[in-house]
Amino acid sequence: AQSVTQPDIHITVSEGASLELRCNYSYGATPYLFWYVQSPGQGLQLLLKYFSGDTLVQGIKGFEAEFKRSQSSFNLRKPSVHWSDAAEYFCAVVSSGGSYIPTFGRGTSLIVHP
Amino acid sequence: EPEVTQTPSHQVTQMGQEVILRCVPISNHLYFYWYRQILGQKVEFLVSFYNNEISEKSEIFDDQFSVERPDGSNFTLKIRSTKLEDSAMYFCASSASALGTDTQYFGPGTRLTVL
Repeated sequence: AQSVTQPDIHITVSEGASLELRCNYSYGATPYLFWYVQSPGQGLQLLLKYFSGDTLVQGIKGFEAEFKRSQSSFNLRKPSVHWSDAAEYFCAVVSSGGSYIPTFGRGTSLIVHP
Repeated sequence: EPEVTQTPSHQVTQMGQEVILRCVPISNHLYFYWYRQILGQKVEFLVSFYNNEISEKSEIFDDQFSVERPDGSNFTLKIRSTKLEDSAMYFCASSASALGTDTQYFGPGTRLTVL
């Protein structure tokens, strides 16, 4: 069965600093990978997704993520964080064959200091 | 941009009571889902629904749960006799297709508190 690990429950950064949120997955084949963001009182919004091809994917709000097969990772990055990026971030994996239901990580809460 | 909406945003109920959580998916979507997130835990899949039938469900979705699309716009999750452990955030989602590459659009959630 597939699984997703987000090792950091909380991450605190200063506004303007760079950000990297970690995501590791366990799945036998190449998965479909997603990052979602949840702002307070909002639903989960898709930031970006990876299916195939270029392993560096660009998303909305200046985010990017890199798929590294050798490390089973799909880390989310942003070069300069804004206060409005404070939110909960979820990594998810969908199997490329079979069920289309995503498996989510526990989420990482991003705190941005001014 | 079209969005998934959910009502109520917060529901408080007594143990043993029935609750109905409501969702309005994006209008041209055909696939609907319910997820839940117990505080501090992962978002977990409950059920998917297509063409007026459950297409997939998890082991969490037992006989206490049911889903319905009572009209052309609403999609509901019913919990017949709530338990304390049903307290969670419940998310509705919809998608245009069932492809793994297709995006599921999530609503803002309903926070269910069972006392």
